[in-house]
Amino acid sequence: DGGITQSPKYLFRKEGQNVTLSCEQNLNHDAMYWYRQDPGQGLRLIYYSQIVNDFQKGDIAEGYSVSREKKESFPLTVTSAQKNPTAFYLCASSIPAGLAGGHNEQFFGPGTRLTVL
Amino acid sequence: AQSVTQLGSHVSVSEGALVLLRCNYSSSVPPYLFWYVQYPNQGLQLLLKYTSAATLVKGINGFEAEFKKSETSFHLTKPSAHMSDAAEYFCALNTGFQKLVFGTGTRLLVSP
Repeated sequence: DGGITQSPKYLFRKEGQNVTLSCEQNLNHDAMYWYRQDPGQGLRLIYYSQIVNDFQKGDIAEGYSVSREKKESFPLTVTSAQKNPTAFYLCASSIPAGLAGGHNEQFFGPGTRLTVL
Repeated sequence: AQSVTQLGSHVSVSEGALVLLRCNYSSSVPPYLFWYVQYPNQGLQLLLKYTSAATLVKGINGFEAEFKKSETSFHLTKPSAHMSDAAEYFCALNTGFQKLVFGTGTRLLVSP
């Protein structure tokens, strides 16, 4: 079955440590996204990538970093510079807007809940 | 600026009652609109999407939404709520360049 996987499901981190969240998709999508979800705030875009070896900052990129070395993978690193990293992180992917006439929905993974102790 | 507003962070209905979740948008270009559902500790699942082909859009699980340009709205409805509909619902707007703008979500509570 095609889909998006995120690992781990739950992650605990001590303050001052970097941690990397995994996101893999086998949908052959070019575009991938990382969102942060906090209660009452909806989803906020951290980074997105439209093609391999290219990515752009979203609305809340400070304290985060990404890489896109393979089409299938878009890992997110939460660095020690992120002041309040405890949140639910969602990865998504989509086909390019040009192929869908602009109404290309995003497909989401199951999420990773990060807790900083 | 393009934005999405969902009125009501929580909506409570009885099982069998009408479900109405409100979404208003602001967009300088013709919008593409989506409704997603999220169950606890899970990712988002697409319910339906507006693509300009029809103003009344039918989705999964008996949900539908009507696009009203004059009211800049895209409200989500279901004639009869089921206990399994209890979840959080997000309205989203495609801003172009493949980015989505999400509303803050509405949690639907269904009581027996």
